[in-house]
Parts: sequence; structure tokens; C-alpha cells
Amino acid sequence: KAGVTQTPRYLIKTRGQQVTLSCSPISGHRSVSWYQQTPGQGLQFLFEYFSETQRNKGNFPGRFSGRQFSNSRSEMNVSTLELGDSALYLCASSWLSGYGYTFGSGTRLTVV
Amino acid sequence: ILNVEQSPQSLHVQEGDSTNFTCSFPSSNFYALHWYRWETAKSPEALFVMTLNGDEKKKGRISATLNTKEGYSYLYIKGSQPEDSATYLCAFRVGSNFGNEKLTFGTGTRLTIIP
Repeated sequence: KAGVTQTPRYLIKTRGQQVTLSCSPISGHRSVSWYQQTPGQGLQFLFEYFSETQRNKGNFPGRFSGRQFSNSRSEMNVSTLELGDSALYLCASSWLSGYGYTFGSGTRLTVV
Repeated sequence: ILNVEQSPQSLHVQEGDSTNFTCSFPSSNFYALHWYRWETAKSPEALFVMTLNGDEKKKGRISATLNTKEGYSYLYIKGSQPEDSATYLCAFRVGSNFGNEKLTFGTGTRLTIIP
């Protein structure tokens, strides 16, 4: 079966711009989470969606937002990009609490 | 702020040798401990989800133990092979069964197997 699909794989943006990243979870998975990885840091939790509702949010500024659609696909948006937003953004989906997550390949965002 | 610590940060092991590394996490409000393997240029892959104190899980040559009272988990690899080279991440989850899917990750142990 298809895995978690993230698009695009790579992105270069300029400071001040905004960006939207997309994640299609495994069919049947209703929970979608987003994580950020920067050099030297572990994966940092951004937010989690379940049935179109944001259930959990990490400690990130309001410039980071997301949403989930009725087909469980999720998007995350970062407005007014800063250099420090350059990172690998990973999306993960889960069928049920207590199961491991399936991660996508990530979107590598570079802000110049 | 939850703190998940992994040690060592990196490890070089001769092919065929066995190895282990540690994940430390808060012992209060425990719900689950996850282990993931992350190979270069690939996605993190789930190895184990552990929920009960004293849990021991095994997948081929890899096994893990869990001590929730003292807040640690060990990952063991028996007879290391080159394909075991990866970063091994642990992640801690607090609280309730439903509605709290946030994982707090450690920074990982980077394992390199020397042929």
C-alpha cells in the first residue's frame, strides 16, 4: 500500500515569503502529525490533526499553521518566512493511538 | 518541558559485534515509548511501541526493554550488520490514550557498523 506522501521534496524560498507543504497519509489513517528537524535538534513537534481538528500544538509561533481535509490530507503553512525556518519538515500518520507512526520522506525547506 | 535523552550520541561498532544504547525519559505521566530507525535519505521507520513497565520487544536481531519506574529504555542489536547503520531515535508520549498524540523525541544515537 502507498506510504505517506509529502510534496514538494525540496523548496527554496526567500525571507518574508510564505510556504505551504502537503502531506497525504496512508489510506485509513486519520491522525496526521507534523515535525520539524533542524541541525543538532531532535524532531520538534509542530501539531497534530485528527478528523480535521487540531488536537495538539507544539511551541511554535503563530506563523506556523496547518489544516486537515475530510480525506485526511493535511497541509502546513508558514508565513513570513525567517532564515531559522530552514529545516526538514516531516509528516507522520497513524491509524490508532498506541501504534507507531509512519513517516513521509519530508520536505526540505531552505529560506534564503 | 519534557526531556528525552539518548546516549551515546554516536557509536562505531565492528560488524558482528553486539551493542546497546539508552533512552532516558520522565518517569511521571508515562503513556508510551517509541523507537524508530532512521537511515540516511530515508524516512524514520517504527521499530517498537512500548507501553508496559518491564515490556520487552524483539524484531529479528533488535530488541528493546522498558523501565517506566526509573524512566529508561534500552535498545539492543545482536550481531551488528552494515544495514544496521542508522540513527536510532526514541520518543516519549505522555498522558491519555486518546487525544494526545504528541511525541517528544530524543536527538538520537547514530550507529555506524564497520565492516
